[in-house]
Amino acid sequence: DVKVTQSSRYLVKRTGEKVFLECVQDMDHENMFWYRQDPGLGLRLIYFSYDVKMKEKGDIPEGYSVSREKKERFSLILESASTNQTSMYLCASSSPGQGYQQPQHFGDGTRLSIL
Amino acid sequence: GQNIDQPTEMTATEGAIVQINCTYQTSGFNGLFWYQQHAGEAPTFLSYNVLDGLEEKGRFSSFLSRSKGYSYLLLKELQMKDSASYLCAALDSNYQLIWGAGTKLIIKP
Repeated sequence: DVKVTQSSRYLVKRTGEKVFLECVQDMDHENMFWYRQDPGLGLRLIYFSYDVKMKEKGDIPEGYSVSREKKERFSLILESASTNQTSMYLCASSSPGQGYQQPQHFGDGTRLSIL
Repeated sequence: GQNIDQPTEMTATEGAIVQINCTYQTSGFNGLFWYQQHAGEAPTFLSYNVLDGLEEKGRFSSFLSRSKGYSYLLLKELQMKDSASYLCAALDSNYQLIWGAGTKLIIKP
């Protein structure tokens, strides 16, 4: 089974702090994604990566950056945390599709609170 | 713009059948996913449809009509453990997933 592991289930940080969220997958997937999930809204894509050292902006990249130095690890960075970044953050990975699109596999999420 | 619509919440009875609808408007279309998400847990993959028609997987079935921009997830013989949110997501022409807000399904005994 695919395992996507996020470093923390719950995290509390202060406004202005630099915050690192880590995600590791064990299935040698090329594609990795960071989403945030808020009540009443669909999953919103922050950043994604299709290869090591490659990154692409999603729909809501402002205030965030990412790092992918190794294939299995994709880190999300909040440069200067703000209260509106309080949310559930979900990491996902997938293989490239060929005809049939491979599903994304998700980690358990990090519930981040910014005080 | 791109948009996915699904009901916010549905209630059904244990042992019954429920149909969760999803309509989508995307720039191009490369298939539709359904995911299940229990409270506080990760979304898990249920189904993927790219061709018109019904695909059955045990108690769960998923239907797609590309011409109508419409899909549904059908859950039979409902069990209490089916209480969860069900997320619909369409793959657009750039192979980006557009997500609905999810349908919270409440199962009553």
